[in-house]
Amino acid sequence: NAGVTQTPKFQVLKTGQSMTLQCAQDMNHNSMYWYRQDPGMGLRLIYYSASEGTTDKGEVPNGYNVSRLNKREFSLRLESAAPSQTSVYFCASSEFQGRRTEAFFGQGTRLTVV
Amino acid sequence: AQTVTQSQPEMSVQEAETVTLSCTYDTSENNYYLFWYKQPPSRQMILVIRQEAYKQQNATENRFSVNFQKAAKSFSLKISDSQLGDTAMYFCAFMTLNQGGKLIFGQGTELSVKP
Repeated sequence: NAGVTQTPKFQVLKTGQSMTLQCAQDMNHNSMYWYRQDPGMGLRLIYYSASEGTTDKGEVPNGYNVSRLNKREFSLRLESAAPSQTSVYFCASSEFQGRRTEAFFGQGTRLTVV
Repeated sequence: AQTVTQSQPEMSVQEAETVTLSCTYDTSENNYYLFWYKQPPSRQMILVIRQEAYKQQNATENRFSVNFQKAAKSFSLKISDSQLGDTAMYFCAFMTLNQGGKLIFGQGTELSVKP
């Protein structure tokens, strides 16, 4: 089982460049999420999607856009990267399954904006 | 809006001893899930334990147990017989049943288990 797959694992961007982080899950989950992790800040929710065709802002959405392409895929786009967006990004997915409910995470993308 | 607060940025414990990590949250909802996740240096996110809010009984998983106080909105994690492999960052998380399963995390507690 692949679970949640994120690409790329590492990326260096110049200020002003754009890029898309890809995420796919093979567990048939409805909910998908994008987080950023910074020292001392925990995981902060950027955007999430409750189901195919829907997206909602999280705690820190500014500077990002998302697309829920289908049930499997949820991409995060930085249109004009800034040094403040240097972070580790995680994608996750979940489904309500009673006492088996949990979120599954990708391995993260370390993004550096110079 | 829901919030999750972990007030202990760092903690340490001697091997084989017991340690408790604190977490408080704020919500107006009645039904939700609470989780503790572990993140070792590998960056992998690993579920430690979950609690369904409608269940009064505290969840336990081997050496890990929680103290869930719904009225106080408190959800602490107790690790018994601490092992060197428990060294990691620990995150408390809240999932709402409304809003399509919105999942938010606390700031994390870095736990060091010392030999």
